[in-house]
Amino acid sequence: GQSLEQPSEVTAVEGAIVQINCTYQTSGFYGLSWYQQHDGGAPTFLSYNALDGLEETGRFSSFLSRSDSYGYLLLQELQMKDSASYFCAVSEGGSYIPTFGRGTSLIVHP
Amino acid sequence: KAGVTQTPRYLIKTRGQQVTLSCSPISGHRSVSWYQQTPGQGLQFLFEYFSETQRNKGNFPGRFSGRQFSNSRSEMNVSTLELGDSALYLCASKGTSSTDTQYFGPGTRLTVL
Repeated sequence: GQSLEQPSEVTAVEGAIVQINCTYQTSGFYGLSWYQQHDGGAPTFLSYNALDGLEETGRFSSFLSRSDSYGYLLLQELQMKDSASYFCAVSEGGSYIPTFGRGTSLIVHP
Repeated sequence: KAGVTQTPRYLIKTRGQQVTLSCSPISGHRSVSWYQQTPGQGLQFLFEYFSETQRNKGNFPGRFSGRQFSNSRSEMNVSTLELGDSALYLCASKGTSSTDTQYFGPGTRLTVL
């Protein structure tokens, strides 16, 4: 089976940088994904890491260390609209269906 | 391309009833997965259908079932509803590659009274 750990809540101010960590345990790791979900909305895909290292997409970056079973999502130049829940999800080889963490609620203050 | 659509968006049922939810995936996507989202348990995987066959299954009781049609549209059914079944039910579709992104629909908010 799989398990993921991520902080339940993170707060930051506009313009700042915030890092949301995710540690996982899985037998057959294939990739780590990140999703954003605003209140009342559907999860939307942000990034995917299958190999170690940093993936950058605009203000968002995601990092993976497979040897440490650890990844993080980095959000730069925070904006109020970034206030949302962020989920990490692990895919296992074979099914490729992601198992989600419980999510981190990011609150951005002015 | 149109996104994933789900109907109905909101539903209120009473204990013991059964319910059917519908999902239309993105055109060309053959994989449809269903998730249950609750504040306490987060996003939990129910099952995945691919080309009309259940390919993966989560750890839910047999009251939860699904099917997929030849046009890739999918339905999930919950029988003998319990209060704890109140949740947001999300459907997600993806392409055929293992690295394809999952795209989620807006969800169906089910309330069981």
